[in-house]
Amino acid sequence: AQSVTQLDSHVSVSEGTPVLLRCNYSSSYSPSLFWYVQHPNKGLQLLLKYTSAATLVKGINGFEAEFKKSETSFHLTKPSAHMSDAAEYFCVVSDHGNKLVFGAGTILRVKS
Amino acid sequence: DTGVSQDPRHKITKRGQNVTFRCDPISEHNRLYWYRQTLGQGPEFLTYFQNEAQLEKSRLLSDRFSAERPKGSFSTLEIQRTEQGDSAMYLCASSLDKGTQYFGPGTRLLVL
Repeated sequence: AQSVTQLDSHVSVSEGTPVLLRCNYSSSYSPSLFWYVQHPNKGLQLLLKYTSAATLVKGINGFEAEFKKSETSFHLTKPSAHMSDAAEYFCVVSDHGNKLVFGAGTILRVKS
Repeated sequence: DTGVSQDPRHKITKRGQNVTFRCDPISEHNRLYWYRQTLGQGPEFLTYFQNEAQLEKSRLLSDRFSAERPKGSFSTLEIQRTEQGDSAMYLCASSLDKGTQYFGPGTRLLVL
């Protein structure tokens, strides 16, 4: 069965500093991986997705993630945090392109 | 707005009552998914449809839960004899085949 582990439940950064949200996955085959973001009182929004093409995936709002098979990781990064990035972020693996399996989430706090 | 819509956005009910939620997917999407998200957790898969056929149900979907998609367009999720443990956010998503899943804003259920 596919699963993801988000290594930090909370991350706090200062505005303008880099963001790193860590995710490890478990899958018996080449997975499809995603990052979704959930702002308070808003729906889940897709940030980016990896589907076995380029290992470095660029998403919206300056976010990117790198698929590392040897480390079974799919960490999310952004060079410079903005106040509007404060939200909850979910690392997600797809089960054969059908249901999504979500991690527990990482709450990102951005300090001014 | 051509995104996924859900109705109602909030529902408060008393234990033992029945509730029904509706989801309208993006119009050309043939797949529709239901997920449940409890406080502090990532969303968990409940069930999904391809057109009007219900193809998979999670073990989370007890016999008090039923989902339908009678004409392959909108879907309803009914919970009978609600329990306090049913309190959660119920999320709907849609996709074209195995493509990206787009989420609605969710229905927040509180069972008193």
